[in-house]
Amino acid sequence: AQKITQTQPGMFVQEKEAVTLDCTYDTSDPSYGLFWYKQPSSGEMIFLIYQGSYDQQNATEGRYSLNFQKARKSANLVISASQLGDSAMYFCAMREKTSYDKVIFGPGTSLSVIP
Amino acid sequence: KAGVTQTPRYLIKTRGQQVTLSCSPISGHRSVSWYQQTPGQGLQFLFEYFSETQRNKGNFPGRFSGRQFSNSRSEMNVSTLELGDSALYLCASSFAQGNSSYGYTFGSGTRLTVV
Repeated sequence: AQKITQTQPGMFVQEKEAVTLDCTYDTSDPSYGLFWYKQPSSGEMIFLIYQGSYDQQNATEGRYSLNFQKARKSANLVISASQLGDSAMYFCAMREKTSYDKVIFGPGTSLSVIP
Repeated sequence: KAGVTQTPRYLIKTRGQQVTLSCSPISGHRSVSWYQQTPGQGLQFLFEYFSETQRNKGNFPGRFSGRQFSNSRSEMNVSTLELGDSALYLCASSFAQGNSSYGYTFGSGTRLTVV
């Protein structure tokens, strides 16, 4: 069963605008972590932000913030003030405590920033 | 500090051959995971090693195997290559085990083409 869902295969955003990339997940493990990764056309995966299931506050890292709604099992990534260099694939991922370091990824969202 | 190093970067093999890919994790990282990335299937988990032991395994045939050495370096092997094995193979290393805020650090990947 698909555990990570990203319903937006492709998104467009105007430069300097904010954009939200959606992610929903499914788990019965009460202890888990959620991640977002960026993959530019070069292929390298870049870690962006982390949210733990017990964290009380939404995670933020510079222009990235994670809108964590635990009851709805959603972990949307918000990118503020988009830049041309933000054009890339974005992957939502989850690690369950019972799975040690096994991280599973969603299908990804392709973001294009328009000048 | 050096990142995750994968060799080779590019590889072309013919059907039926076997291939070995190498991954050197970040110094101090003991967990190494492998992923196969294709346009159709996205990022698929292959296996994860910790302290020379395979802790997790994805749903891949037995032609895919791996191992980890005492210095945490890891190799994955694919025997009897098929055209469908053409993909970007990503290695990722992690410092901590279990549920933590440490995300994976990925290598640049090995792009395997089977002809």
